[in-house]
Amino acid sequence: AQSVTQLGSHVSVSEGALVLLRCNYSSSVPPYLFWYVQYPNQGLQLLLKYTSAATLVKGINGFEAEFKKSETSFHLTKPSAHMSDAAEYFCAVTSGYSSASKIIFGSGTRLSIRP
Amino acid sequence: DGGITQSPKYLFRKEGQNVTLSCEQNLNHDAMYWYRQDPGQGLRLIYYSQIVNDFQKGDIAEGYSVSREKKESFPLTVTSAQKNPTAFYLCATFSGDYGYTFGSGTRLTVV
Repeated sequence: AQSVTQLGSHVSVSEGALVLLRCNYSSSVPPYLFWYVQYPNQGLQLLLKYTSAATLVKGINGFEAEFKKSETSFHLTKPSAHMSDAAEYFCAVTSGYSSASKIIFGSGTRLSIRP
Repeated sequence: DGGITQSPKYLFRKEGQNVTLSCEQNLNHDAMYWYRQDPGQGLRLIYYSQIVNDFQKGDIAEGYSVSREKKESFPLTVTSAQKNPTAFYLCATFSGDYGYTFGSGTRLTVV
């Protein structure tokens, strides 16, 4: 069975500060990992994905995440927060990259940016 | 532009009423999904379909029904058997090239 835990339902940072959103996963097989962003009343947009290539994954809008097998983590970071980063972020895991593989979502972290 | 269209964006349902949420895609993706999102929770899978005329129950299928008569369309019916239908509903597709693509959602409220 697979699961995802996002630590912190709400994170608040100042504009220009480092953004760190935590995600830990559990998987009995090598995982595929994703980060999605959701703006109010919108669907989910893919930020980045790990599919067993490079462990440091760069995504859109300046975000990146590092896959750490020893820590079963896939934390999302951005060096300098911008007001437009305020949104909800979801980490997700799946055992395979196909339509038959079930994707499991974390409960989400709401990111607020202070001026 | 290719994408997923969900309609309506907002929907109100009376007690005991069935309502149907529309999901149309022009991405030519075979697999389509319906998710339910509640505040403070992740997305939970209701139904999915990998090909036309075939679909499977997800984790929370009770009180919902779907059909897949065309590749482009995967409507979701919320029946009166669903006791707590107020939620945000997201439709998605999957392809090996692009992964999951999500629609912009339908917010359903019971009045």
